[in-house]
Amino acid sequence: QVQLVKSGGDLVKPGGSLRLSCEASGFTFSDNYMSWIRQAPGKGLEWLAYISPSSSYTDYADSVKGRFTISRDNTRNSLYLQMNSLRGDDTAVYYCARGGGGSYYGFDHWGQGTQVTVSS
Amino acid sequence: EIVLTQSPGTLSLSPGERVTLSCRASQSVTTTSTSLAWYQQLPGQAPRLLMFGASVRAPGIPDRFRGSGSGTDFTLTITRLEPEDFAVYYCQQYGSSPYTFGQGTKLEMK
Repeated sequence: QVQLVKSGGDLVKPGGSLRLSCEASGFTFSDNYMSWIRQAPGKGLEWLAYISPSSSYTDYADSVKGRFTISRDNTRNSLYLQMNSLRGDDTAVYYCARGGGGSYYGFDHWGQGTQVTVSS
Repeated sequence: EIVLTQSPGTLSLSPGERVTLSCRASQSVTTTSTSLAWYQQLPGQAPRLLMFGASVRAPGIPDRFRGSGSGTDFTLTITRLEPEDFAVYYCQQYGSSPYTFGQGTKLEMK
């Protein structure tokens, strides 16, 4: 079955950097758009970024544009989110999900979520 | 940016009852297809896709979940609540970047 296994969550100081990873299995990773979505404590869901299957296209929410970079390695079935210049309001649970780029199916599989805490 | 407004914010209901959740978009999410999804989130878990294309159930979703609507007005109906249905429900439009979510409707057990 489809699995998305996340890693990289941590406590980081404001202004710091962190890289999240998401390893996919159970489907042809290289054929699918992938996205990152986050959820601040007690809040709703916020889509952050997507990347096309070949990495040709990416798109970002304004809240993270210029600070976060989405990338993928299809040889490793892995999705990444490089987060720089982290701020307190970036504190959230971060999810990877299959979908984005106008996929007909929405976000049909989600990882389990990883906690990122930005605090001094 | 398309803003999605869900109502009500919270509902207190009993198992066996029927419930309808509403999601209204600030502009149409229907072009060649309707890019509107519903997700269920249980406490401490990742969201789970329930419906896509406004009315198509995702694989494995029971038929007591029914989605409808087009343009700017959408509903999710649960025809007979089961104990495992008490959760937070989000609508989302995924046709126009940035892909936006509603603020959620929480179903509480009475």
